Amino acid sequence: DTEVTQTPKHLVMGMTNKKSLKCEQHMGHRAMYWYKQKAKKPPELMFVYSYEKLSINESVPSRFSPECPNSSLLNLHLHALQPEDSALYLCASSQPLGPPEQYFGPGTRLTVT
Amino acid sequence: SQQGEEDPQALSIQEGENATMNCSYKTSINNLQWYRQNSGRGLVHLILIRSNEREKHSGRLRVTLDTSKKSSSLLITASRAADTASYFCATDARETSGSRLTFGEGTQLTVNP
Repeated sequence: DTEVTQTPKHLVMGMTNKKSLKCEQHMGHRAMYWYKQKAKKPPELMFVYSYEKLSINESVPSRFSPECPNSSLLNLHLHALQPEDSALYLCASSQPLGPPEQYFGPGTRLTVT
Repeated sequence: SQQGEEDPQALSIQEGENATMNCSYKTSINNLQWYRQNSGRGLVHLILIRSNEREKHSGRLRVTLDTSKKSSSLLITASRAADTASYFCATDARETSGSRLTFGEGTQLTVNP
């Protein structure tokens, strides 16, 4: 199974809402990533988890809170977002010390109103 | 911050023609990867070239790497309408926590039937 799944596919939320994005992989990868991608721009790294521990936080605002409950799951908790946070949120996975190719999920299209 | 620049930003060709995309980067790399992204979807890994390699082939893809010029090119031969997508190069700053990818700005390729 070489698939990374993300739910939901689309999410519309108000600035006072709390929501979560979910990501799952069953490839045995022990590194998982969150990226943010604005329209017509490249993905930008937000967080990296390695062996279920947060290893990289690219100075992301605290209204984004990542969580890695186990080696297959990655969550991104959202709270008090701003309209400029509207974007495609991509999850990816790879082996921490193996081949550097990353496997991406299809993304969650987030709209903040 | 994005260290990769790609040109052209957009490329429109006819089916059967070849498409060449270029990527430049600023720092030393371990390897360089190319990814494809269909509109609004996740990224798919295409090919990886290591810093000690100069050329690599995979099916209709040919990648070159010139570390002295800090540049790479992706050639797609005999293009098909299904090749229509955005193409990103990504440099890899390898860390023990996983691969830290920095993406170029991307080239939007349109292959007209």
